[in-house]
Amino acid sequence: AQSVTQLDSHVSVSEGTPVLLRCNYSSSYSPSLFWYVQHPNKGLQLLLKYTSAATLVKGINGFEAEFKKSETSFHLTKPSAHMSDAAEYFCGGGPGGYQKVTFGTGTKLQVIP
Amino acid sequence: EAQVTQNPRYLITVTGKKLTVTCSQNMNHEYMSWYRQDPGLGLRQIYYSMNVEVTDKGDVPEGYKVSRKEKRNFPLILESPSPNQTSLYFCASSSQKQGTNTEAFFGQGTRLTVV
Repeated sequence: AQSVTQLDSHVSVSEGTPVLLRCNYSSSYSPSLFWYVQHPNKGLQLLLKYTSAATLVKGINGFEAEFKKSETSFHLTKPSAHMSDAAEYFCGGGPGGYQKVTFGTGTKLQVIP
Repeated sequence: EAQVTQNPRYLITVTGKKLTVTCSQNMNHEYMSWYRQDPGLGLRQIYYSMNVEVTDKGDVPEGYKVSRKEKRNFPLILESPSPNQTSLYFCASSSQKQGTNTEAFFGQGTRLTVV
């Protein structure tokens, strides 16, 4: 069985400060892991994905995430938050491929001017 | 332009009245799936399809049906909608070609209200 847990339902940061959105996973397999972003009234856009290549994955808009097997984590980071980063972020994982991707409950990121 | 198209975007219906939400993708993807999004629960998979005529239950399939008669289309059917199916629904597709692990493309969502 696999599960994905996003540890924070809301995160608030000031513009220009670092962003950390936390995601832990459990899986019986070597997982594929993803981060998606959802802006208000929009669909989901892939930010980045981990598929057992490099453990540090760079995505769009300056985001990156590091797969840490020992900690079963895949936290999303960005060095400097921008107002346009305010959105809801979903961490997802699957056993390899997209057959049964399980998503976390989402983290709403607020960026304060 | 590569896209996943859902229709309708918004729907208000009454309990028990059968409805279908359509989903179409133009990327020749093998894999398609349906999710519902509810506050505090994130995205939960309803059904998925690995290819034409191959479908399987996700995590919350009760009250839903799907079909995959053509590769591009994957409609979601609610035979007898109930208020607890009021939700935001997303269709997604991705390639399943051997050796690839491409991103999942999501539709814009369908906001369904059952009264």
